[in-house]
Amino acid sequence: RKEVEQDPGPFNVPEGATVAFNCTYSNSASQSFFWYRQDCRKEPKLLMSVYSSGNEDGRFTAQLNRASQYISLLIRDSKLSDSATYLCVVIQGGGADGLTFGKGTHLIIQP
Amino acid sequence: NAGVTQTPKFRVLKTGQSMTLLCAQDMNHEYMYWYRQDPGMGLRLIHYSVGEGTTAKGEVPDGYNVSRLKKQNFLLGLESAAPSQTSVYFCASSYRANSPLHFGNGTRLTVT
Repeated sequence: RKEVEQDPGPFNVPEGATVAFNCTYSNSASQSFFWYRQDCRKEPKLLMSVYSSGNEDGRFTAQLNRASQYISLLIRDSKLSDSATYLCVVIQGGGADGLTFGKGTHLIIQP
Repeated sequence: NAGVTQTPKFRVLKTGQSMTLLCAQDMNHEYMYWYRQDPGMGLRLIHYSVGEGTTAKGEVPDGYNVSRLKKQNFLLGLESAAPSQTSVYFCASSYRANSPLHFGNGTRLTVT
């Protein structure tokens, strides 16, 4: 059974703080991983891919831990504009239906 | 470059009416998807297509039909709308199965 789990939050974080959240997956054969950002009443938008070696894009760092089967997203020096829902995506390979979205973590950056 | 375009953006239907949602992408992507998103449920796959002329069922296909007559278009049909189909519908496309998805702006559908 495909399972991708995220803490729904909300995470209430003061502006300027560092925040991190995880996404766990159950299928060890999962191959590709992504983080998406979704603003209220908008479509999900790709934030970053998650590579085995980890990757960084400005204030955002994504990491993959295959042994414990989770991916993480860390946001440094958080901005008010970072307030959104963050969705993880896990692709298990094979057919197009091997893609699973987490239900998202709601992040609120407070001034 | 428009990316993924969905029409209409909003629609209100009465129970039993039918409608078609149109999705168009200009990125020459092979894969296209229709999702619905409901509060607390996350994104759920309705139908998908791995290429022109192909369609397949996703997690929640009942009450919906799809067609992919042209590579760039993926249509979602509701034959007889029900209040349970009130939702936000997103179309997405990707280059291949393990590539990231690109989403359209969504269609907010209310069935009364």
